[in-house]
Amino acid sequence: KQEVTQIPAALSVPEGENLVLNCSFTDSAIYNLQWFRQDPGKGLTSLLLIQSSQREQTSGRLNASLDKSSGRSTLYIAASQPGDSATYLCAVRSGTSGSRLTFGEGTQLTVNP
Amino acid sequence: NAGVMQNPRHLVRRRGQEARLRCSPMKGHSHVYWYRQLPEEGLKFMVYLQKENIIDESGMPKERFSAEFPKEGPSILRIQQVVRGDSAAYFCASSDQANTEAFFGQGTRLTVV
Repeated sequence: KQEVTQIPAALSVPEGENLVLNCSFTDSAIYNLQWFRQDPGKGLTSLLLIQSSQREQTSGRLNASLDKSSGRSTLYIAASQPGDSATYLCAVRSGTSGSRLTFGEGTQLTVNP
Repeated sequence: NAGVMQNPRHLVRRRGQEARLRCSPMKGHSHVYWYRQLPEEGLKFMVYLQKENIIDESGMPKERFSAEFPKEGPSILRIQQVVRGDSAAYFCASSDQANTEAFFGQGTRLTVV
């Protein structure tokens, strides 16, 4: 059974700081890994998708890496802004035909002005 | 190209009533997933459907819950005889294939009074 863990559970940083969010998963037989952002009371916004054959993906100030063999992914946020404050969720695709998306509990990020 | 549309956004039901949650996937997507997010908890997989077929319902409670994705129209998650413990945010996601990028709707927040 796939299990996804995110560390830390909460993070508070001053504006402008670079930060790293961590995600680990127990079953390395994954199809892909997605990072999402969730604002309070809102839905999920897909940030980055990394296929199992890829090592990293970049979008603007975001960079996600994947080390499938060790079951780890990191989301790097450069030059953080107050608007980055949200819960960041990591999810892995695994199971039969990759149909199952398993989520971590999320990291609640607060960027202080 | 509209995203994943869920309605209603908020739903209030009295104990014992039925709740019907609707999800229209992104255009061209035939794979639909339902997730539940209990207060202060992570997203938990409930069911995965393709057009007219339930592929994986291992995350759905055996009683009172059912899901369908008919040939025409939205996917429906039905909860019969709701109880207070059903109060949660229910999210729908869609993808064009079983293991590709998943896009989420804004969710339906069910409150059972």
